[in-house]
Amino acid sequence: AQRVTQPEKLLSVFKGAPVELKCNYSYSGSPELFWYVQYSRQRLQLLLRHISRESIKGFTADLNKGETSFHLKKPFAQEEDSAMYYCALRGSGNTGKLIFGQGTTLQVKP
Amino acid sequence: DAGVTQSPTHLIKTRGQQVTLRCSPKSGHDTVSWYQQALGQGPQFIFQYYEEEERQRGNFPDRFSGHQFPNYSSELNVNALLLGDSALYLCASSLDGYLNTEAFFGQGTRLTVV
Repeated sequence: AQRVTQPEKLLSVFKGAPVELKCNYSYSGSPELFWYVQYSRQRLQLLLRHISRESIKGFTADLNKGETSFHLKKPFAQEEDSAMYYCALRGSGNTGKLIFGQGTTLQVKP
Repeated sequence: DAGVTQSPTHLIKTRGQQVTLRCSPKSGHDTVSWYQQALGQGPQFIFQYYEEEERQRGNFPDRFSGHQFPNYSSELNVNALLLGDSALYLCASSLDGYLNTEAFFGQGTRLTVV
C-alpha cells in the first residue's frame, strides 16, 4: 500500500531552535518525495522535492530509502516558518497522483 | 498569470443535491488534478484529466465525475451529495510530459453539505 505518515499533528518550537518535521512513507518502488507548505490564508505550494537536493528557505530534506523517511529539517526556526507542512509522494514514472500525509502544523514561538 | 483559479470559493448545498466546481489551470498547463481535503486531513486524490480524458482515478465513488474542456479548464461534479462530502476541494494543474513537473494548487472551494 502506498502511504505517507506524518506522526506529529503539531510541532511547537522557539525561534532559533532546530526543527525536524518527520515523514515516513510506504511504497514498493522508487518514489518521488515532496514537501508542500501552506501558510495562513495562502494556497498549498511546493517547498522542495528530493530530486532537486536543494535548500529552500533554509529547509532541507534527505531521502533515506533504508528507513523510508523524508524528514524536513531547518537548523534555526524563524517565526515566518509557522505554517502547515505536508509530505507527499508520487510513484516513479507516474505523472499523476500525489499521496499526502495528514500534515504537521509548525508553530514557531518568539 | 493568476495561477490556478477555482470557483466558487464557498458553497453550501443540501444532502442529495448535485454540485459543480470549476478550475482554470495555470497558463501553459494542460493537466488538471482534483483533490478532496477533509478537515484535519491531507489532500486525497480524486482524479486527473489530460487531453479531455480521465487518466487516473483515486478511491472515490462514481458520484464524483469530471470533465476537461479544450482550453484545459476542468469541472468536478458530485451527485447525490452526502454530509461526508463536506470538504475543501483543491484543483492542481501541471504540464504533462515532464516527470519532474510541479503541481500548482488553487485556493480551493469549500463545500458544506447540510
